[in-house]
Amino acid sequence: SQQGEEDPQALSIQEGENATMNCSYKTSINNLQWYRQNSGRGLVHLILIRSNEREKHSGRLRVTLDTSKKSSSLLITASRAADTASYFCATEDNDMRFGAGTRLTVKP
Amino acid sequence: EAGVAQSPRYKIIEKRQSVAFWCNPISGHATLYWYQQILGQGPKLLIQFQNNGVVDDSQLPKDRFSAERLKGVDSTLKIQPAKLEDSAVYLCASSLVSGPRVGKLFFGSGTQLSVL
Repeated sequence: SQQGEEDPQALSIQEGENATMNCSYKTSINNLQWYRQNSGRGLVHLILIRSNEREKHSGRLRVTLDTSKKSSSLLITASRAADTASYFCATEDNDMRFGAGTRLTVKP
Repeated sequence: EAGVAQSPRYKIIEKRQSVAFWCNPISGHATLYWYQQILGQGPKLLIQFQNNGVVDDSQLPKDRFSAERLKGVDSTLKIQPAKLEDSAVYLCASSLVSGPRVGKLFFGSGTQLSVL
């Protein structure tokens, strides 16, 4: 099994702006998931996109998946200070492997 | 529904000592995971259980780490003896899905281990 790799490692934006995080992986997957982690806490599931899906929306979140490029992106629109957290992509292929994450800071 | 419970929340030990962590997954969840998260890194899978059987323990340092899942419900992760590099947050997660698919993971708050 293999991990996703997020890019950028850190991102700082102003409240109201959009935040885009990218994830690349190396082998075939069943699905790809995005999780959020607030400092000192466990991870919280945000969204799951299956390998046969190209785009998925959930509230202010938009996820895309390009299996030909083995990449995914997470877009958070109209960001809020409360969105400040680390965001991880996780690839599923019989088990779940996480990347190193993107640390997002949203300044009020 | 109740979430994934982990204890203790924090643990400080000296190197070469032993330590154990406990996890109670969400009721009915067949699959349970232990992850190690070193500061500034993503979670690293240590072991995956399905019911009370081990599915994947390829990244578990078996010379010092051991884990069991009692009757397919609670799980304990033990380190004996601990090393400085074991300082990390140990996360437990569970999933309703069993079989070859994983599905959505539910995480506990983790145990923060400091080895001095």
